[in-house]
Amino acid sequence: NAGVMQNPRHLVRRRGQEARLRCSPMKGHSHVYWYRQLPEEGLKFMVYLQKENIIDESGMPKERFSAEFPKEGPSILRIQQVVRGDSAAYFCASSPPGKHSGNTIYFGEGSWLTVV
Amino acid sequence: EDQVTQSPEALRLQEGESSSLNCSYTVSGLRGLFWYRQDPGKGPEFLFTLYSAGEEKEKERLKATLTKKESFLHITAPKPEDSATYLCATSGGGADGLTFGKGTHLIIQP
Repeated sequence: NAGVMQNPRHLVRRRGQEARLRCSPMKGHSHVYWYRQLPEEGLKFMVYLQKENIIDESGMPKERFSAEFPKEGPSILRIQQVVRGDSAAYFCASSPPGKHSGNTIYFGEGSWLTVV
Repeated sequence: EDQVTQSPEALRLQEGESSSLNCSYTVSGLRGLFWYRQDPGKGPEFLFTLYSAGEEKEKERLKATLTKKESFLHITAPKPEDSATYLCATSGGGADGLTFGKGTHLIIQP
């Protein structure tokens, strides 16, 4: 009974490079969320997706960040031209199909991005 | 804007010393209040969901309660393995994402 799977767990990028973080939701789940946790700060919502659709990206930075959840394969969070301020833990979460508001969401173990 | 405030920021207890963690929230149209446990270098682990004032849920040494303005996570006779950061989050106000507090860092000393 696999949980939410994220990879890579740790990623080091030089300034200006691209980072791609992948997330496979729990079996049977169709809602995917990405959150970011900066040092000494709480988890912040970034984006909510369903298959082939971005439902809410109100928490995404306007530039350099994008997310997708294709019909086949994992969800991808992409950060272009990374800067030091992007260094953080990025968590993916998923919830079952149906009305999502109020549903419990389950988190993966996170991807730790370090920009040098 | 939804707000979640957790207190204390950090708490150190002796093994067996019971206590409570607080989560105060302001959200229009609460749809759910969630408690998670997070260990260093790990993702948040789900503990409880509460939906309405007066609701209580228990799991081993933990009990979560909910009022219209706050939630408490009561820990009874804690053990060192209960040491972790406990996170509170709300769903509501028309937002799709959860609003998290900054957490309470709990240390249980043997």
